Amino acid sequence: GAVVSQHPSRVICKSGTSVKIECRSLDFQATTMFWYRQFPKQSLMLMATSNEGSKATYEQGVEKDKFLINHASLTLSTLTVTSAHPEDSSFYICSARVHGDNEQFFGPGTRLTVL
Amino acid sequence: SQKIEQNSEALNIQEGKTATLTCNYTNYSPAYLQWYRQDPGRGPVFLLLIRENEKEKRKERLKVTFDTTLKQSLFHITASQPADSATYLCARGNSGNTPLVFGKGTRLSVIA
Repeated sequence: GAVVSQHPSRVICKSGTSVKIECRSLDFQATTMFWYRQFPKQSLMLMATSNEGSKATYEQGVEKDKFLINHASLTLSTLTVTSAHPEDSSFYICSARVHGDNEQFFGPGTRLTVL
Repeated sequence: SQKIEQNSEALNIQEGKTATLTCNYTNYSPAYLQWYRQDPGRGPVFLLLIRENEKEKRKERLKVTFDTTLKQSLFHITASQPADSATYLCARGNSGNTPLVFGKGTRLSVIA
């Protein structure tokens, strides 16, 4: 099946710093990538939908200036958490989908801890 | 708004029995429902997709049903094994590029 990778898998940073998370589709071209956040024992909450070459569409309540998303190629999307604070600590997961296909393939997730 | 509800937060079952997980949706019927498995600290793994016009789908020990009258999908694991212990997520989707809407998941524990 299709493989999606994320890097890093785990990051610890100080409050106020910015963190970049990469999401790559390894063996297919992803026209659409999604970014989710998951708190302990909660479901996946969609943050934004990213289409290659265009601006991301953010869900209500998600600050676009705080969570910068770049989808510059068909195999790479990045999420940058700017000026991170402890409340941004969470499990961030990306997923990728081929245009016209219904299946979504998820990355392994990135655990962000902001001290 | 479109919602997905997985009413059981946790389910314990004896090894060898059939586990049945429930997923209910509100409002109009989605074009399809998907089931995922998620292990602690990992991303979800796709298991099965069932479309609105399909009543049942099978894959090895897994079976999924789609009942548009009850607005419900059932997910069955037959001959359950301790290795099946995980959280199972149900998600609704529509055609086009619309994102999936996920339920909270059901944590299944298969006891040896």
